Amino acid sequence: GAVVSQHPSRVICKSGTSVKIECRSLDFQATTMFWYRQFPKKSLMLMATSNEGSKATYEQGVEKDKFLINHASLTLSTLTVTSAHPEDSSFYICSAEAPTGTYEQYFGPGTRLTVT
Amino acid sequence: GIQVEQSPPDLILQEGANSTLRCNFSDSVNNLQWFHQNPWGQLINLFYIPSGTKQNGRLSATTVATERYSLLYISSSQTTDSGVYFCAGGNNNDMRFGAGTRLTVKP
Repeated sequence: GAVVSQHPSRVICKSGTSVKIECRSLDFQATTMFWYRQFPKKSLMLMATSNEGSKATYEQGVEKDKFLINHASLTLSTLTVTSAHPEDSSFYICSAEAPTGTYEQYFGPGTRLTVT
Repeated sequence: GIQVEQSPPDLILQEGANSTLRCNFSDSVNNLQWFHQNPWGQLINLFYIPSGTKQNGRLSATTVATERYSLLYISSSQTTDSGVYFCAGGNNNDMRFGAGTRLTVKP
């Protein structure tokens, strides 16, 4: 149980284009999902907290107009990187809060974005 | 926000050895997890352990909440244990990650 998927697993796009990443909880409903970013050999940095049916809460320094988050259903959150630039290249990982009454998070397999 | 320190940053072991990884928090937390990140980047949940002790096979973890630290024990290490181990914690669902411990287990 508590499986989280992400799609795509890998994407290459040209500078100036937009890319959408999907995060799905496959066998449970997730009121709250999270988006993280990880640079090579570094830790995970929380970008935003996504609550179903409401606006995401962004961490300080994360541009909300650049990283658009939508959590329209209890099993799907999307992250759209708009007008991507090479510095947006990174590993993006989503997670979902488990339906266990605790704060435990389950993570997706990640999406590697390369902007050329 | 909460600061999370992990030690050691790197650890090299011979297969069969035991190890202890530590995680210190700058403030009290009610949410604490240990993860293993595999070579493909997937985070594997090891323990959800805001307090107390848990064991799962060769792995166990202990969190002393009053002293703001947690320990992950790996016994009889195997080459497949290699990878990066992260602890993460915070208050409610605001979870912050440590920098990780990179473990290499040599045959």
